[in-house]
Amino acid sequence: KAGVTQTPRYLIKTRGQQVTLSCSPISGHRSVSWYQQTPGQGLQFLFEYFSETQRNKGNFPGRFSGRQFSNSRSEMNVSTLELGDSALYLCASIPPTNTGELFFGEGSRLTVL
Amino acid sequence: AQSVSQHNHHVILSEAASLELGCNYSYGGTVNLFWYVQYPGQHLQLLLKYFSGDPLVKGIKGFEAEFIKSKFSFNLRKPSVQWSDTAEYFCAVANYGGSQGNLIFGKGTKLSVKP
Repeated sequence: KAGVTQTPRYLIKTRGQQVTLSCSPISGHRSVSWYQQTPGQGLQFLFEYFSETQRNKGNFPGRFSGRQFSNSRSEMNVSTLELGDSALYLCASIPPTNTGELFFGEGSRLTVL
Repeated sequence: AQSVSQHNHHVILSEAASLELGCNYSYGGTVNLFWYVQYPGQHLQLLLKYFSGDPLVKGIKGFEAEFIKSKFSFNLRKPSVQWSDTAEYFCAVANYGGSQGNLIFGKGTKLSVKP
């Protein structure tokens, strides 16, 4: 079965701009989580969506937002980009049964100049 | 707040050496524990997990981990590493019965195996 698809894979933005990242989970998975991965902080939880509803949110400023569509695809948006937002943004597809396993995409690498 | 500590930032071993990567978590309740691995250029994938039962769990590629509740530890082990084990390893914890998608990750340990 197809894996988790994240687009774009790489992007470069400048400070003050905004960015939208997309994630298509595995077919049949209705939940997704987003994580930010940086060398200094490791993986940090951003938010989780289930059936178009945000179920959990991590400790990030309001510039970070997300949404989920009826087909389970999810987007996250970061507004007013800062240099510190440079990171790999990972989407995880969550199976409907509680196996505990998250299926990660390859990520979107954002560089803010 | 919950946290996960991985003791080693970078470990360098020769092939056939034994591996143990430390992981400690801080949380007083029941937890689910995981080790994920990220091979160079690949996505994160599950190596093994502990939910309940036997505290010694076995995962893919010969890895195992032992949950020691009294020490809040979940160390990863492999008796004999191979060059192909070169990767970054992440320990993670989730609240038992909590949100499946909200894992607290350690900062990772890079393992370099010399051929």
